[in-house]
Amino acid sequence: GAVVSQHPSWVICKSGTSVKIECRSLDFQATTMFWYRQFPKQSLMLMATSNEGSKATYEQGVEKDKFLINHASLTLSTLTVTSAHPEDSSFYICSARVDRVTSGANVLTFGAGSRLTVL
Amino acid sequence: GENVEQHPSTLSVQEGDSAVIKCTYSDSASNYFPWYKQELGKRPQLIIDIRSNVGEKKDQRIAVTLNKTAKHFSLHITETQPEDSAVYFCAAFLRREKLTFGTGTRLTIIP
Repeated sequence: GAVVSQHPSWVICKSGTSVKIECRSLDFQATTMFWYRQFPKQSLMLMATSNEGSKATYEQGVEKDKFLINHASLTLSTLTVTSAHPEDSSFYICSARVDRVTSGANVLTFGAGSRLTVL
Repeated sequence: GENVEQHPSTLSVQEGDSAVIKCTYSDSASNYFPWYKQELGKRPQLIIDIRSNVGEKKDQRIAVTLNKTAKHFSLHITETQPEDSAVYFCAAFLRREKLTFGTGTRLTIIP
């Protein structure tokens, strides 16, 4: 149980275009999802907290107009990288907080990640 | 906010020896400390965790210890095997709000 599906797993786009990444909780409801970015050989840096039905909370230094987050349902959060540039190339990973009452398992479960390459 | 420091950044041990990775955190309100193993290009996988009301937890070859007073927690891997080679991240969860990761340790097991 507590599976998070993330799509696409990799994407290549031209500079200036927008890319959408989806994060779905498959067998549980996730009122809160988290979006991380990981550059090569570095740690996972929290970008924003996605809350179902309300605005996302962005970490300091993360541009909310560039990284649009939508959490319209209890099982889906999306991250859209707008007007992507080469410096946005990174590994983006979503995670969902699992309600311990229902799962009793991991507090946070991760998607498989999306590798974005901007040409 | 929370700040998590992790060391060493790289660690090489002979197969069969033990490996220890240490982390410190800054916010005394953090109450959950998971450890993740990440292989190249893959998602982090939870390997063990500990809550603030517990001092030590063990799962086969893996153990974690927590010193709340000093705000330290450590990962111990015994009888290391080649498949233990990966990057390991510690993390601190602050009041179920968000998870802050350490900087990672690249562990290499030498056959």
